[in-house]
Amino acid sequence: AQSVTQPDIHITVSEGASLELRCNYSYGATPYLFWYVQSPGQGLQLLLKYFSGDTLVQGIKGFEAEFKRSQSSFNLRKPSVHWSDAAEYFCAIQAGTALIFGKGTTLSVSS
Amino acid sequence: KAGVTQTPRYLIKTRGQQVTLSCSPISGHRSVSWYQQTPGQGLQFLFEYFSETQRNKGNFPGRFSGRQFSNSRSEMNVSTLELGDSALYLCASSSGTGILNTEAFFGQGTRLTVV
Repeated sequence: AQSVTQPDIHITVSEGASLELRCNYSYGATPYLFWYVQSPGQGLQLLLKYFSGDTLVQGIKGFEAEFKRSQSSFNLRKPSVHWSDAAEYFCAIQAGTALIFGKGTTLSVSS
Repeated sequence: KAGVTQTPRYLIKTRGQQVTLSCSPISGHRSVSWYQQTPGQGLQFLFEYFSETQRNKGNFPGRFSGRQFSNSRSEMNVSTLELGDSALYLCASSSGTGILNTEAFFGQGTRLTVV
């Protein structure tokens, strides 16, 4: 069965430091992968997506993600975190016409 | 262009009642999906409609139902509400045609509280 695992429930990063959020997936075929961000009380905003091709994907707000088939991973990275990046981040996989989400990682940014 | 609009934003209902939530997708989008978000279960897929037909359904009881109108607007209904139905209900729209056009745009959600 398809599934997405985000091992880290909560991460705290200093402002200006680099960030990596982990995502592992289980899927039998070529995965279509997404990262979404959710601010408190808001809906989900798409940061980036991977369908095929280049395994390093660039997104909005300076985020990037790298697809590693051998590790079944799709980790999200940002070289320098800003206080406004504090939010909840969700990794998702496309399963037919549905998205299967991980449980999310809450990012806190300290000054 | 306007984003996905969900109404109402907040709702308080009593156990046993029913509720209807509404979603207006982005203009031109024909696919509407619904998700339930709770602290315990996270984001779970409810169902997806495309051109007034349900194409996909998640693992929820029959108390949860939906429909889509000819203008692509969608409603979801929950009957005989239970305390556990308290959640943020998110609607997402996409063009729905072809895998490369399945980017989902989410609304801000309807926060349902069952008391």
